[in-house]
Amino acid sequence: GQQVMQIPQYQHVQEGEDFTTYCNSSTTLSNIQWYKQRPGGHPVFLIQLVKSGEVKKQKRLTFQFGEAKKNSSLHITATQTTDVGTYFCAGKAAGNKLTFGGGTRVLVKP
Amino acid sequence: EAQVTQNPRYLITVTGKKLTVTCSQNMNHEYMSWYRQDPGLGLRQIYYSMNVEVTDKGDVPEGYKVSRKEKRNFPLILESPSPNQTSLYFCASSGTREYEQYFGPGTRLTVT
Repeated sequence: GQQVMQIPQYQHVQEGEDFTTYCNSSTTLSNIQWYKQRPGGHPVFLIQLVKSGEVKKQKRLTFQFGEAKKNSSLHITATQTTDVGTYFCAGKAAGNKLTFGGGTRVLVKP
Repeated sequence: EAQVTQNPRYLITVTGKKLTVTCSQNMNHEYMSWYRQDPGLGLRQIYYSMNVEVTDKGDVPEGYKVSRKEKRNFPLILESPSPNQTSLYFCASSGTREYEQYFGPGTRLTVT
């Protein structure tokens, strides 16, 4: 079945630095979504990418969908303590299932 | 306020005692889904429903049942819970499967 892998599983970042988390699917996706889950909270939708090579920005967050629509990335610049949490990608291939990656847990060192 | 509610938020039970976790949304969404979240495994889909009376298995359906008799409600039923079903459960809804999913606050279940 479809598998979605995220790396790294953990990311320790110094406040003010940049980092990137990656999402890779075993199958071609029709779209990919990104969610953020704060500690003790529930996942909250960030963005959806649909087109091959699509790039979208939300303030310090940049999301990219690969040309082959099998991978995606989230890049955060100038990390802040408010960025702490777990970031999930979720991909939809053919059919109705949305498959989540294992998440990247981000810890920020002040 | 648009929201997804789940009850109970916390539940400790014993092996074999049937339980139901309720989920309700007030956004008139067609698509609803249940996930379980375990450390290192992310969110795994248990069941989903495209609309009333339409349900289908996700990736980990064993040991669970669902029903969708009304559009707003999507209860998760554990007929005979076992310790390996100890987990954090989330219900989610969306307008269609293409749109963003709104998650409930989660239900932390412990089966002893």
